[in-house]
Amino acid sequence: GESVGLHLPTLSVQEGDNSIINCAYSNSASDYFIWYKQESGKGPQFIIDIRSNMDKRQGQRVTVLLNKTVKHLSLQIAATQPGDSAVYFCAENIQDSNYQLIWGAGTKLIIKP
Amino acid sequence: DADVTQTPRNRITKTGKRIMLECSQTKGHDRMYWYRQDPGLGLRLIYYSFDVKDINKGEISDGYSVSRQAQAKFSLSLESAIPNQTALYFCATSDLQGRDGYTFGSGTRLTVV
Repeated sequence: GESVGLHLPTLSVQEGDNSIINCAYSNSASDYFIWYKQESGKGPQFIIDIRSNMDKRQGQRVTVLLNKTVKHLSLQIAATQPGDSAVYFCAENIQDSNYQLIWGAGTKLIIKP
Repeated sequence: DADVTQTPRNRITKTGKRIMLECSQTKGHDRMYWYRQDPGLGLRLIYYSFDVKDINKGEISDGYSVSRQAQAKFSLSLESAIPNQTALYFCATSDLQGRDGYTFGSGTRLTVV
C-alpha cells in the first residue's frame, strides 16, 4: 500500500455512479490483499479480499481487481449509495511474513446527492 | 456482543499519567494487535501478539507497553502519557492465517491534555 502517514486522498462520486478506489503496492512478494471500509467513529471492517493467484474477485456490489504487472489494486463499488461514504483502506500481506498486514493510507469516499 | 470490545470508548487524561486501554475478543483467535490512527491518516501498528507468550513491537512502540493476560485479552498501556499520543486506538484480532482479514474493535479515543 501507499506510505502511511500521508493525508487521505479524497474521491467524490455522484450517488448512483460507480466508484473506483485505487491502491498501489510496492512489494512483488505480496500474495494476499484486503480492502477495508472505515465509517466515521467505527473500526475498519473487512469488505473483500483477493489472493495473488487471482486477478478479479466479486462480492455484493464490490469488485476487486489485481494487476500484478504494475502492482496495482482497485476496489470498484457499483451504484454508489450514501452508506458507502467512508474511508477505504487496502492492506497487503507479504508472503512468508507470518501474515502481518501492511496498510495503505486510505481514500476517503464522499457521495454527492 | 461485539466480537472485539475495547474499553474505554473515550478518555481524557493529563500529561504524565499512566493509562491502560483494554481489549477483549470472543473470536477465539490467537493473534491480537494494537493500532493507532491519527486524524486523516492511516493505521500504524504499535504492538502485536501471536499468542499469550509471544509479544512483538510494531513500528511505533516507543512510549507504549502491552500485556497479553489471556488468549482473549490484550491491553495497551501508556506509561507516561504525552499530548502527541492523542489519537484513536484500535485493537484487532485475526486467525493464524489471517483468513478473512482482521476484526477490529470500535476504537478508543484518547486525548492527552
